[in-house]
Amino acid sequence: NAGVTQTPKFRVLKTGQSMTLLCAQDMNHEYMYWYRQDPGMGLRLIHYSVGEGTTAKGEVPDGYNVSRLKKQNFLLGLESAAPSQTSVYFCASSRPRTNTEAFFGQGTRLTVV
Amino acid sequence: AQRVTQPEKLLSVFKGAPVELKCNYSYSGSPELFWYVQYSRQRLQLLLRHISRESIKGFTADLNKGETSFHLKKPFAQEEDSAMYYCALSGTGANNLFFGTGTRLTVIP
Repeated sequence: NAGVTQTPKFRVLKTGQSMTLLCAQDMNHEYMYWYRQDPGMGLRLIHYSVGEGTTAKGEVPDGYNVSRLKKQNFLLGLESAAPSQTSVYFCASSRPRTNTEAFFGQGTRLTVV
Repeated sequence: AQRVTQPEKLLSVFKGAPVELKCNYSYSGSPELFWYVQYSRQRLQLLLRHISRESIKGFTADLNKGETSFHLKKPFAQEEDSAMYYCALSGTGANNLFFGTGTRLTVIP
C-alpha cells in the first residue's frame, strides 16, 4: 500500500522557471493538502482540496496554483519560481470526518537558484 | 482565526528525564487537536489526538480549554523519542489542518 506519493523527491529550478509537483494517494481520501516546511516556520498550508474539482487557498497561496482533476491526484504548480519558494513541500490526504488522521507524503525538496 | 503556538523551537532532555512539549492554540470554535511527529528521514505521522485520550509510545496530551493548551508529556524520555514534534489544530466541521512551528526534541544519552 503506497499511501501518499510525491513526485519528484528533489528538484533544482532557476528563477522564473515553472514546474509541477504531483501528489498521488491510493486511500480514496476526499481531502488533500499542500504544505511547505521552512526552518522556524513549521508547516504552512498552501492550498487544499475537499474533493475532486474543488480547491481552496490556505495560509500562503501566493505564487502557487493547484488542480484536483482526479480524486487521487493533487497537483501543485509554480508558474514562475522565486528563491523564496525554496522549501520542502509536503502533500497530505485525509478522510472528511471529524478528528481524522492526515497521511503525509515523503516530501519534495525544491531549491530555486 | 486559527493559531497554534509552540514556544520552544529546541528542547533537550536527558534520557530518563520527564518531557513536556508545550502547545497553545487560538480558535473561536470547538478545536480538534493533534500531535504529529517526524523522525529523522521519515514521514510526518500522527502521534496522538485529543479525542482519543490515549497514550502512544508513553506520550499523553490533555486538552485544557481554560488555558487553551494541549501540552505533550512523557514521564521518562527515551533516545528514540528524538524527533521533530508538531502540534496541529482543526476545527469541528472544518476542512483544513493548521500546524505550529514545531519543537525539535533531543534526548541526550
